[in-house]
Amino acid sequence: QKEVEQDPGPLSVPEGAIVSLNCTYSNSAFQYFMWYRQYSRKGPELLMYTYSSGNKEDGRFTAQVDKSSKYISLFIRDSQPSDSATYLCAMSANSGAGSYQLTFGKGTKLSVIP
Amino acid sequence: NAGVMQNPRHLVRRRGQEARLRCSPMKGHSHVYWYRQLPEEGLKFMVYLQKENIIDESGMPKERFSAEFPKEGPSILRIQQVVRGDSAAYFCASSSRGHTDTQYFGPGTRLTVL
Repeated sequence: QKEVEQDPGPLSVPEGAIVSLNCTYSNSAFQYFMWYRQYSRKGPELLMYTYSSGNKEDGRFTAQVDKSSKYISLFIRDSQPSDSATYLCAMSANSGAGSYQLTFGKGTKLSVIP
Repeated sequence: NAGVMQNPRHLVRRRGQEARLRCSPMKGHSHVYWYRQLPEEGLKFMVYLQKENIIDESGMPKERFSAEFPKEGPSILRIQQVVRGDSAAYFCASSSRGHTDTQYFGPGTRLTVL
């Protein structure tokens, strides 16, 4: 079982739709949870960061963490064509060596159709 | 723009040659992580460095790969005697404290081994 599972998609939605992206994980030591957006042939861009169960909202984006179920989600409201990208979930814990290395899902490729 | 800089952006090497990838962290950041993204795979952690110290190299292949982050100058990921399987995108991320909430990624170096 992989540490972080993420449906690779592709996911195609019409402009204005609500998008739901999800990841599950198996390592209960993960403490910090992030969502990155990666455009084709670019570096990942941090969208959301959270470290506790519950919801965190930033503009059109809402991140949700359920530690009891080991499940995290990203919701995008009023999706735009410019949201078309690959979305990566990432999480981390102190490795014990002082490293907070990120463990990533494989990414979900999203296309928002005008 | 004081973002994370990586160079070269594209690097082509023949089998057996050496590849050197450079990463200049954001201004004020002294922590650097290197990740590798193989085709159709997620980002995988390789190594975590602070100035003049390797903190965690648990993700580095045991042979041919090395990394450094000198007191002055960029962090360097070095791959000796490259093989076709080394073809990938290599990303560095920098952080001000080593905690994941401030890990910002560069644009990546795309290595192609012929």
